[in-house]
Amino acid sequence: NAGVTQTPKFQVLKTGQSMTLQCAQDMNHNSMYWYRQDPGMGLRLIYYSASEGTTDKGEVPNGYNVSRLNKREFSLRLESAAPSQTSVYFCASSDSGQSSGNTIYFGEGSWLTVV
Amino acid sequence: GEDVEQSLFLSVREGDSSVINCTYTDSSSTYLYWYKQEPGAGLQLLTYIFSNMDMKQDQRLTVLLNKKDKHLSLRIADTQTGDSAIYFCAERRGSIGGKLIFGQGTELSVKP
Repeated sequence: NAGVTQTPKFQVLKTGQSMTLQCAQDMNHNSMYWYRQDPGMGLRLIYYSASEGTTDKGEVPNGYNVSRLNKREFSLRLESAAPSQTSVYFCASSDSGQSSGNTIYFGEGSWLTVV
Repeated sequence: GEDVEQSLFLSVREGDSSVINCTYTDSSSTYLYWYKQEPGAGLQLLTYIFSNMDMKQDQRLTVLLNKKDKHLSLRIADTQTGDSAIYFCAERRGSIGGKLIFGQGTELSVKP
């Protein structure tokens, strides 16, 4: 069972470079999310997509763009990376079933360093 | 406030009970969750509670929900060294597919 798969797992970027984090889920979930995790700050929502074809800003969207390519895939793009974007990024997806608590499932994380 | 609040650290002895507390913000939140994160790993769902419940028990885990005070707690009975991790509470705001907002996490340290 693959669940939520995100790539790359590790990346080092120079300031000003661009990159895209890829995420795919095989659980037929409608909703997908991108979070960043920084020490002492928990997880903060960057963008989310409640369903295919829609995206919405979360708590910290500045400096990022997203694309919900299809139901399976939700990518996060850094157009011009900054050191403040050094973080661990988590992709997640959730189902719509109330019996399962609308549970959110997370990928393994992508460690991004901007130098 | 807008934040989900948790204390940052908790230290207990092996075999004791651990209680991790959380204060959330939105009285209309539908589901509340507890996640566990071990070093270098992703987040693992431990349990969740629907907002119309006030308690849920799942083996060693007990979740208590006080909607009036917007307070959520996670009790781990007979805490083991393998329970050492960071524990996050989270609230789902809005309808299905809505945002999941996390607290800062509580680092639980279990001493033998």
